[in-house]
Amino acid sequence: AQTVTQSQPEMSVQEAETVTLSCTYDTSENNYYLFWYKQPPSRQMILVIRQEAYKQQNATENRFSVNFQKAAKSFSLKISDSQLGDTAMYFCAFMRGGGSNYKLTFGKGTLLTVNP
Amino acid sequence: DAGVTQSPTHLIKTRGQQVTLRCSPKSGHDTVSWYQQALGQGPQFIFQYYEEEERQRGNFPDRFSGHQFPNYSSELNVNALLLGDSALYLCASSLAPTGNTIYFGEGSWLTVV
Repeated sequence: AQTVTQSQPEMSVQEAETVTLSCTYDTSENNYYLFWYKQPPSRQMILVIRQEAYKQQNATENRFSVNFQKAAKSFSLKISDSQLGDTAMYFCAFMRGGGSNYKLTFGKGTLLTVNP
Repeated sequence: DAGVTQSPTHLIKTRGQQVTLRCSPKSGHDTVSWYQQALGQGPQFIFQYYEEEERQRGNFPDRFSGHQFPNYSSELNVNALLLGDSALYLCASSLAPTGNTIYFGEGSWLTVV
């Protein structure tokens, strides 16, 4: 079974600064996907960024980028130029690739607070 | 383009009762999954429906059951409610066979008293 670990229950950052959220995972699979989801107080889970394990290049979406270290099974999220609207719970998630398996395994989350 | 919609948003039930939650997937999506998110935890996978059949199931008892309709919408049913079933229930949709972009609804918050 796959496991996802987020070792930082809470983090805070000043507006406009950069913050990195950590995630490690454990799997014996070689084909998989990794995700970061954001859950603001509205509760809706919003996809932030996705990484395919077979791609060596780190994914980037505007101010959000990842550092994917496959050998170390590490998948951190960097948020640049933090904004007040980035305040939310952030969840790292794993999905096995191939076939029709769309089950996500989530970590326990990191509560990020952006301070003015 | 309508996203994933869920109903109801909040509900309160008594122990032993039964509840039905509903989900309409994002337009064009054919696969629906349900997750349970307890307070302060990450979501836990309950089950997934595709082509009106349960394709995968997480570690949840048979009290949790579901259904998918021909229009791809889905229901989650929970029987004999326990206090521990109090949680946010999230519906997620995706499109087979790629399925690697998963969208979530805003959830249904269930309180069991």
